[in-house]
Amino acid sequence: GESVGLHLPTLSVQEGDNSIINCAYSNSASDYFIWYKQESGKGPQFIIDIRSNMDKRQGQRVTVLLNKTVKHLSLQIAATQPGDSAVYFCAILTGGGNKLTFGTGTQLKVEL
Amino acid sequence: EAQVTQNPRYLITVTGKKLTVTCSQNMNHEYMSWYRQDPGLGLRQIYYSMNVEVTDKGDVPEGYKVSRKEKRNFPLILESPSPNQTSLYFCASSPLGGSGANVLTFGAGSRLTVL
Repeated sequence: GESVGLHLPTLSVQEGDNSIINCAYSNSASDYFIWYKQESGKGPQFIIDIRSNMDKRQGQRVTVLLNKTVKHLSLQIAATQPGDSAVYFCAILTGGGNKLTFGTGTQLKVEL
Repeated sequence: EAQVTQNPRYLITVTGKKLTVTCSQNMNHEYMSWYRQDPGLGLRQIYYSMNVEVTDKGDVPEGYKVSRKEKRNFPLILESPSPNQTSLYFCASSPLGGSGANVLTFGAGSRLTVL
């Protein structure tokens, strides 16, 4: 099966700095990766995704990087804002199935 | 508005008293799933459904039942709740094909406490 781990349970950054949230996975057959953001009291919301045939994908202020060699995924948030404070989860799909395996989450705290 | 709706949002109950958490989606999604979220453990899948009358166990199905009689609804049933089922529960749905496949839309969550 798949196991997914996040490197840090909590990350504190200053407003305006860039944030990097990391995720490691175990199964080299993993082929689809998603980042979710969960604000306090809400369900997780989709941020950005990437397929295994890519190594980088950019959205608005967010970039996902995929390193299949070391089985590592990261989410970069540029110019972090107070509204970015949330728990961030990576989720990984393996083998063409429909089961997403979630990491344990990183709490991002933005300091003013 | 496209959404997944769960009810109740908060519930306190006692051990052994059967309860149902309802889930409904208005996006015509084939795939629906239930997760529980516990501190330090992230989101763990309880049950999922690929379509009407098709359900399957996730990683932590013990103590739970589900049904999928209609495409839009996917209720979670706790026949005899126990304190270790105290948790935050999320229902989610996604299309199975096309753009957006596998991108789950989550409900707002149902916080359940079993005394």
